[in-house]
Parts: sequence; structure tokens; C-alpha cells
Amino acid sequence: DTGVSQNPRHKITKRGQNVTFRCDPISEHNRLYWYRQTLGQGPEFLTYFQNEAQLEKSRLLSDRFSAERPKGSFSTLEIQRTEQGDSAMYLCASSPGGADTQYFGPGTRLTVL
Amino acid sequence: KNEVEQSPQNLTAQEGEFITINCSYSVGISALHWLQQHPGGGIVSLFMLSSGKKKHGRLIATINIQEKHSSLHITASHPRDSAVYICAVVRGPPDKLTFGKGTLLTVNP
Repeated sequence: DTGVSQNPRHKITKRGQNVTFRCDPISEHNRLYWYRQTLGQGPEFLTYFQNEAQLEKSRLLSDRFSAERPKGSFSTLEIQRTEQGDSAMYLCASSPGGADTQYFGPGTRLTVL
Repeated sequence: KNEVEQSPQNLTAQEGEFITINCSYSVGISALHWLQQHPGGGIVSLFMLSSGKKKHGRLIATINIQEKHSSLHITASHPRDSAVYICAVVRGPPDKLTFGKGTLLTVNP
């Protein structure tokens, strides 16, 4: 297994467009996390899945954001009607479960023009 | 006030120097991570600890739960150690991470 992968690595879009990111976790990892990191800041928690169930969402996740993890495998994060403030690195991490080490993907860098 | 504070924000060292990065937190935690982030975004977990001390190669991490403080030490620093080092605390369930802002370490040859 090659670790957590994310696609695309970079996305440039115009304000108002919709974008979708994909995360493929390490096989058999039950937990999947999405984080967002803006320039010069540490990452911030967005949402979390235990298998296919989305169990917690941050207040940072406005109604324009939606995340899914069908069948408990890969996950998608969609942002509708993007705004310039959405420009950030979107990071995905997975873990086997419990208080285990989280393994991070390389991230998707979003630039909204 | 952030729940996780790191110091210093920036650190420049000469190759071979002993490095210390500090992390203080203000909430109850189940564990603490030290992470390394290189330019381009990739994050690697260096340590996860809930008590005492861990060592891996030239890296040492300690935590004092009573004082809500952790340190990351790098012995015999090398230019390839240059990166952002991030402290993150685990509050669970669901064991999501709350991150510090990171410490930018530059090691000059």
C-alpha cells in the first residue's frame, strides 16, 4: 500500500465555481479526517468519518461544503460556489481507529481567483 | 488564546546544533503528536505520545501531562531537518487533532 493519496494535487478555479476533491485512505483504515490549512497556519479540523458515517463537522464547514465517504472507502469533499476565502490546502488523513497515528495525504491546494 | 501554542515560531540553527521546540496546550488531551511538514504540504507523523519520552534516531520527544507541555529535540541538526514542525493534540473521541501554528526550522550548513 502506498499510503494516503489525494487528487487533484492542485486546483485553480474561478469564484463561484464548484470543485470536488478526492481522498483515498490507506486500505482498511476505518477513520478518515479532512483538515484545511491556510498559509502560515496549522491545519484545522473540518470533518471526520468512521467507515461511511460522517460523525462530526466543524463550524468551519459551511453549507457550501459537503463530504461523503460511500462504502467506507474513498472520500470526496465538494465546495459549491467557491469564494476566495476557500483558498487553502485541503488535507486528508486516515487512521486504523482509536487514538492511533493519523497518516496524511499530500494535500490538494485550492486557489480561487 | 489558541488551545495549542508553539515556540519559537521561527528558528535558525547551524548544522550540528541541538534544537528544542516547545509546545504548550490548555485542554485535556489523550495524546500529543509531533508532525513534520516539508514545503509542498506533505505531513509526516514523527511521534505520538501520551506520557514520558520517545526517541527515534536524532529526534526525542517528551511530554509532561501535569504541566501540559511537550518538547521536541533534535540532536546534531542537519540541513535536511529544515521543515515546519507542528504540535497537535488529540481530543477524543473522535480523536481529531487540534494543531499549533508550527515552528519553521532552518538549519544552515
